[in-house]
Amino acid sequence: DQQVKQNSPSLSVQEGRISILNCDYTNSMFDYFLWYKKYPAEGPTFLISISSIKDKNEDGRFTVFLNKSAKHLSLHIVPSQPGDSAVYFCAASWNGNQFYFGTGTSLTVIP
Amino acid sequence: DGGITQSPKYLFRKEGQNVTLSCEQNLNHDAMYWYRQDPGQGLRLIYYSQIVNDFQKGDIAEGYSVSREKKESFPLTVTSAQKNPTAFYLCASSLGGGPRETQYFGPGTRLLVL
Repeated sequence: DQQVKQNSPSLSVQEGRISILNCDYTNSMFDYFLWYKKYPAEGPTFLISISSIKDKNEDGRFTVFLNKSAKHLSLHIVPSQPGDSAVYFCAASWNGNQFYFGTGTSLTVIP
Repeated sequence: DGGITQSPKYLFRKEGQNVTLSCEQNLNHDAMYWYRQDPGQGLRLIYYSQIVNDFQKGDIAEGYSVSREKKESFPLTVTSAQKNPTAFYLCASSLGGGPRETQYFGPGTRLLVL
């Protein structure tokens, strides 16, 4: 039972434009969310997080938005750069030790 | 350089054989984790350990075993009871074991069955 879902397996964006990656979750108890970025043959690296008490968190070109009523999370990358091409995973947790990960979205930024 | 190392990068297992995947960290992190990634699926938690000599099962622990005798090391054994072991295995660690702790991942080990 997939509690965190990324329904778009891939996304292509022109360099300089905005990339929007989406994530939906089913467990209303989740209160902490993260995005990880993964290059081929490497482990995921932490990108940005957001707590459920916020609806937006920004770090440079990366912004995460949380819509609790819709159980929806999105990552915006502006402007997109070729080096952003990677697989992006969202993850969620609640009051416990386990993170639940989405299936990932492969982003390609076209120069 | 601080980080998490996993070895080997590729591992081949024969039918009925146990194999052990290595995970070492020099980040002085208390908690360590093992995940499995299959095509089209997210990372699924196999086992985790918050402190030395203690570990808990994740969602898919059947057919796997772990040990945590040292803070730096958290090896995963894929036993012959694991009927579908072919996957990409990721080890991670975090400073503490709390739900808001960022996890740092190793480069992974790909296990293939001969």
